Amino acid sequence: EAEVAQSPRYKITEKSQAVAFWCDPISGHATLYWYRQILGQGPELLVQFQDESVVDDSQLPKDRFSAERLKGVDSTLKIQPAELGDSAMYLCASSLRYMNTEAFFGQGTRLTVV
Amino acid sequence: AQSVTQLDSHVSVSEGTPVLLRCNYSSSYSPSLFWYVQHPNKGLQLLLKYTSAATLVKGINGFEAEFKKSETSFHLTKPSAHMSDAAEYFCVVSDRDSWGKLQFGAGTQVVVTP
Repeated sequence: EAEVAQSPRYKITEKSQAVAFWCDPISGHATLYWYRQILGQGPELLVQFQDESVVDDSQLPKDRFSAERLKGVDSTLKIQPAELGDSAMYLCASSLRYMNTEAFFGQGTRLTVV
Repeated sequence: AQSVTQLDSHVSVSEGTPVLLRCNYSSSYSPSLFWYVQHPNKGLQLLLKYTSAATLVKGINGFEAEFKKSETSFHLTKPSAHMSDAAEYFCVVSDRDSWGKLQFGAGTQVVVTP
């Protein structure tokens, strides 16, 4: 069964360091999402891609976060510099198209900033 | 603008008794609605989805939900809870106005007692 792949599963980094997460969506899925989930809360959208274009990054802290999906396939989310408040689960999801289809989620990357 | 309110942050049920998780939504257009489940240290899994077809939607593991436009509700039910249903449940809304952005509720933690 096709899955959304994310790496690493766990990451511990020191404050002010750079950190990057990688996501490989299900083949053929045009829409890719990056969500952040703080413990005890629902996931919050950081950025949404339609193919290689960003269609929503309104909640992405652009002073420190960046995301790219250069060839419209896999994607990288970067934080530089990391802050203590960035500790969270970072979830990647993909869907066939942006409406009326379910999104499939990866296992996530658990980030701890110390 | 779209939003989701899950009316209960915690629900405790006895094994074999019915489960009801309440969700109200706000959407500018005809929305798509989803319920996702998240078991500890696992990814998000789709339980069921409503995309403007039948208003009573059946999902996996015996769950179902009813879309009520007049009440802007999409409550999740299961006739008989099983120990394996203990998890966090998220109600999610998506509409065409926002590129299909998945807006999550805050979640409902379900505890099942023997």
